[in-house]
Amino acid sequence: DTGVSQDPRHKITKRGQNVTFRCDPISEHNRLYWYRQTLGQGPEFLTYFQNEAQLEKSRLLSDRFSAERPKGSFSTLEIQRTEQGDSAMYLCASSPGYRVRRSGANVLTFGAGSRLTVL
Amino acid sequence: SQQGEEDPQALSIQEGENATMNCSYKTSINNLQWYRQNSGRGLVHLILIRSNEREKHSGRLRVTLDTSKKSSSLLITASRAADTASYFCASQETSGSRLTFGEGTQLTVNP
Repeated sequence: DTGVSQDPRHKITKRGQNVTFRCDPISEHNRLYWYRQTLGQGPEFLTYFQNEAQLEKSRLLSDRFSAERPKGSFSTLEIQRTEQGDSAMYLCASSPGYRVRRSGANVLTFGAGSRLTVL
Repeated sequence: SQQGEEDPQALSIQEGENATMNCSYKTSINNLQWYRQNSGRGLVHLILIRSNEREKHSGRLRVTLDTSKKSSSLLITASRAADTASYFCASQETSGSRLTFGEGTQLTVNP
């Protein structure tokens, strides 16, 4: 396992269309996170999963956003009826959770990101 | 804002000089972490300091944490051109598992 994989790397879509991003975490990691990052800013938390359970969602995650992790492995992030303000880099990260020493449980390994451009 | 603040926003130094970046956060934390991001890439974890620690070293990196002031600093010694990147602090709140990132410091090391 070489790390966290995200697909697609780039997506250009027209306003109003739906888009879906996929994340494959490190296989031994039971936590998976989604963040959004715009140019010149730090990553903003969207949501996180412990195995297949979605434990926390940011209020940034409007009704148009939905994330799933059906079998506790890969995850998808869907954005419905995209708006120009959704243009950003969508970052996925995974962490070991409590299978390792407590201090290492929340060290995140990030994927390269999926860049969304909404025209 | 969910994010902490970092200072300075941008820093430009010469190779061989030291670079210091500061970070403030808002809540009680379990730990604070620093990440690096090269342009257009994902973030890479650098170092973690627990809330009961005051200073930690890793190679050319030195991190300090002052929980009374809710602040941390990252020192990179003997900087190299390859250190050019954005650096982000991230705090893990005691109330949950999310990491809250700062706005970042863009470091440029000139050869």
